[in-house]
Amino acid sequence: QKEVEQDPGPLSVPEGAIVSLNCTYSNSAFQYFMWYRQYSRKGPELLMYTYSSGNKEDGRFTAQVDKSSKYISLFIRDSQPSDSATYLCATTHSGTYKYIFGTGTRLKVLA
Amino acid sequence: DAGITQSPRYKITETGRQVTLMCHQTWSHSYMFWYRQDLGHGLRLIYYSAAADITDKGEVPDGYVVSRSKTENFPLTLESATRSQTSVYFCASRSSGAPTGELFFGEGSRLTVL
Repeated sequence: QKEVEQDPGPLSVPEGAIVSLNCTYSNSAFQYFMWYRQYSRKGPELLMYTYSSGNKEDGRFTAQVDKSSKYISLFIRDSQPSDSATYLCATTHSGTYKYIFGTGTRLKVLA
Repeated sequence: DAGITQSPRYKITETGRQVTLMCHQTWSHSYMFWYRQDLGHGLRLIYYSAAADITDKGEVPDGYVVSRSKTENFPLTLESATRSQTSVYFCASRSSGAPTGELFFGEGSRLTVL
């Protein structure tokens, strides 16, 4: 079993839709949770970062962590064609420099 | 220019050849990482370095060698390339003072081994 599981998609939605991207993880020691966005033929870039459980909002993006169910979510409101990219969840815990990444979900927002 | 740069961006080589992928960062970040990205596997850590002359293995280190004689450079060498090493390689860095998670990635080096 992989430490982080993520549906690879692809996920196609119309412009303006609410998008929900999800990951599950297996190690309860994970404390830090990240979402990276990767455009085609580019390196990933950090989109959202949360510590432990709860929600974090940044503009149209909301990251949610439920440690009781080991579930990580990213919500995108009013999705735009420019949001078309691959979204990777990642996690780690204190005392290590090793980050575990999900396989990524490819999102396409149709104009 | 400031940032993290990788070279070459594209490389085609043959089985058995030695290949070195270069990574250079201008932020003086302490930590540097090499990942490979493959369909169905996502990003997997090959090697990482906490400082100059300090390196450690990641999840998939076999067939790779790294060095870090200077803080800003972290080259990755494939001593005898195999077809299974065909992949996209990403270098990343992180400041020791940054909150956990702020990895900065290069643009990637796309390697094909024939």
